[in-house]
Amino acid sequence: SQQGEEDPQALSIQEGENATMNCSYKTSINNLQWYRQNSGRGLVHLILIRSNEREKHSGRLRVTLDTSKKSSSLLITASRAADTASYFCATDAKSNTGKLIFGQGTTLQVKP
Amino acid sequence: DAGITQSPRHKVTETGTPVTLRCHQTENHRYMYWYRQDPGHGLRLIHYSYGVKDTDKGEVSDGYSVSRSKTEDFLLTLESATSSQTSVYFCAISDSSQETQYFGPGTRLLVL
Repeated sequence: SQQGEEDPQALSIQEGENATMNCSYKTSINNLQWYRQNSGRGLVHLILIRSNEREKHSGRLRVTLDTSKKSSSLLITASRAADTASYFCATDAKSNTGKLIFGQGTTLQVKP
Repeated sequence: DAGITQSPRHKVTETGTPVTLRCHQTENHRYMYWYRQDPGHGLRLIHYSYGVKDTDKGEVSDGYSVSRSKTEDFLLTLESATSSQTSVYFCAISDSSQETQYFGPGTRLLVL
């Protein structure tokens, strides 16, 4: 069964706007990660947030984690056409360390 | 793609035939994983390896076997391919921290 559920499934925005996507999960985690997948390519790691962290930044990416609500969000600021991709959250559950469980992903389209 | 190659990149085969996919890494990472990606299911773990000759099952292991005789190679075998195994297969690696995973470019398999 899927540990991570993502919302929305698809998102379409204009270049320059911010994009927010959300991930919910079910069990206690060691960390939560976000990955990007461009069409026809493998997944690329974006950012990892540990269970004792609440917010993390990397360039134009901001990730938050609320362990009480078992949810995370990924914010991409000032989006670019090159950000068009699918974004996946993945959780490393405490009960199953090292084996990531991926959500179904959010497909982001950034229009020039 | 972080020193990970997959072969073949595309394969068409017939139901009932054996198929072997290869993942090769040049990073000397301990952990290797095989996932399949299907619409509506995200990525699901098939098998993983935590060292040479050390492997274990993932979420969707039925119909698949793996072998790891060298650190750099992880083979996924479909003993008798079925149409339900039509998918995109990704290999991933991680170091001893088991945190970030690095993905290969994927293999598109079509079973007719």
